[in-house]
Amino acid sequence: AQSVSQHNHHVILSEAASLELGCNYSYGGTVNLFWYVQYPGQHLQLLLKYFSGDPLVKGIKGFEAEFIKSKFSFNLRKPSVQWSDTAEYFCAVNARGNQGGKLIFGQGTELSVKP
Amino acid sequence: EPEVTQTPSHQVTQMGQEVILRCVPISNHLYFYWYRQILGQKVEFLVSFYNNEISEKSEIFDDQFSVERPDGSNFTLKIRSTKLEDSAMYFCASSGGAHDGYTFGSGTRLTVV
Repeated sequence: AQSVSQHNHHVILSEAASLELGCNYSYGGTVNLFWYVQYPGQHLQLLLKYFSGDPLVKGIKGFEAEFIKSKFSFNLRKPSVQWSDTAEYFCAVNARGNQGGKLIFGQGTELSVKP
Repeated sequence: EPEVTQTPSHQVTQMGQEVILRCVPISNHLYFYWYRQILGQKVEFLVSFYNNEISEKSEIFDDQFSVERPDGSNFTLKIRSTKLEDSAMYFCASSGGAHDGYTFGSGTRLTVV
């Protein structure tokens, strides 16, 4: 069965610190990978996605993620966080080639950025 | 940018009552989904819908739940007899297909009392 694991439940950083949020997945086939962000009281918004090609994916708001196939990982990074990045971050996967297949989410990582 | 809209944003209902949560997916999308997020927990898949029928459902999606696309525009989730544990944020999502992303609505917070 597919599963997604996010290593950190809650991360606290100061502004301008660098961020890396871990995500590992378990699946017996090829996957598409996503990072979503949920700002307080708001809906899920897509940060970035990986389907194929360059394993380093750039998303919105200065975020990027690197797909490392051998490690089944898709870690999210940002060189310098801002207070406005305070939110919950979800890694998700679906099965590639499965038209319309469901997303499987990790448990989320809450990021708190201190001004 | 196209949006998925959900109504109502917040619904309070008594245990045992029926509720209908409404969603308007992006107009040219083909795949529709419901997810839920119990407070403090992960986002869980409930059901996917394609070509006017359920394509996949989770074990959460029991006989108390049903989905419908009554008019080619709206996509509804009905809970027949609500329980306290149904209290959660319910998200609708739609997708255009394999290389499309998933666009989520802003959610309906359901509180069962």
